[in-house]
Amino acid sequence: KNQVEQSPQSLIILEGKNCTLQCNYTVSPFSNLRWYKQDTGRGPVSLTIMTFSENTKSNGRYTATLDADTKQSSLHITASQLSDSASYICVVTKMDSSYKLIFGSGTRLLVRP
Amino acid sequence: DVKVTQSSRYLVKRTGEKVFLECVQDMDHENMFWYRQDPGLGLRLIYFSYDVKMKEKGDIPEGYSVSREKKERFSLILESASTNQTSMYLCASSPAGTSDTEAFFGQGTRLTVV
Repeated sequence: KNQVEQSPQSLIILEGKNCTLQCNYTVSPFSNLRWYKQDTGRGPVSLTIMTFSENTKSNGRYTATLDADTKQSSLHITASQLSDSASYICVVTKMDSSYKLIFGSGTRLLVRP
Repeated sequence: DVKVTQSSRYLVKRTGEKVFLECVQDMDHENMFWYRQDPGLGLRLIYFSYDVKMKEKGDIPEGYSVSREKKERFSLILESASTNQTSMYLCASSPAGTSDTEAFFGQGTRLTVV
């Protein structure tokens, strides 16, 4: 079983609508959680990072939340744009000697006009 | 801006060939990583290096080797390519330090082994 589970696997929404992507993790001990955006044919780019003590962080129209007690995170996209079409990957850093990154399998978002 | 450059965007190789994937970063980062990305599996770590000539196995090192002769360059080698190594390969780099440092990714190399 993956230590970082994302849902849904894929999502189609109309331009201008909001959406929320989910990430549940079992990684322990936990250091931080990042959301990455990966455009088709490109490498992932970091959107937000949250540590144990943070429960929300925004980056423009992207707002990430973290509940460290339930080990859940969400990424909320407001007023979606066509350029939001991408894969969104949740990445948890394990707090060990190597600070290992544990990747979710991603949510593929398609924003339609 | 940090730049991580992978030498090829697309590669097609034959089974049994020796394949070299090259990655160069221009920000003097200590750490470099090679991942493969497959649908439904996410990114999986193949090898990483935290210093010149240093390498550590990741989660799926079988069938791969790496070389880091210079700080800016990290090469992934498929000794004898097989069809199950068809995948997207991503290189990343990050500075040494705490867990909050960000990993910067290259654009990826889509390798097809026929």
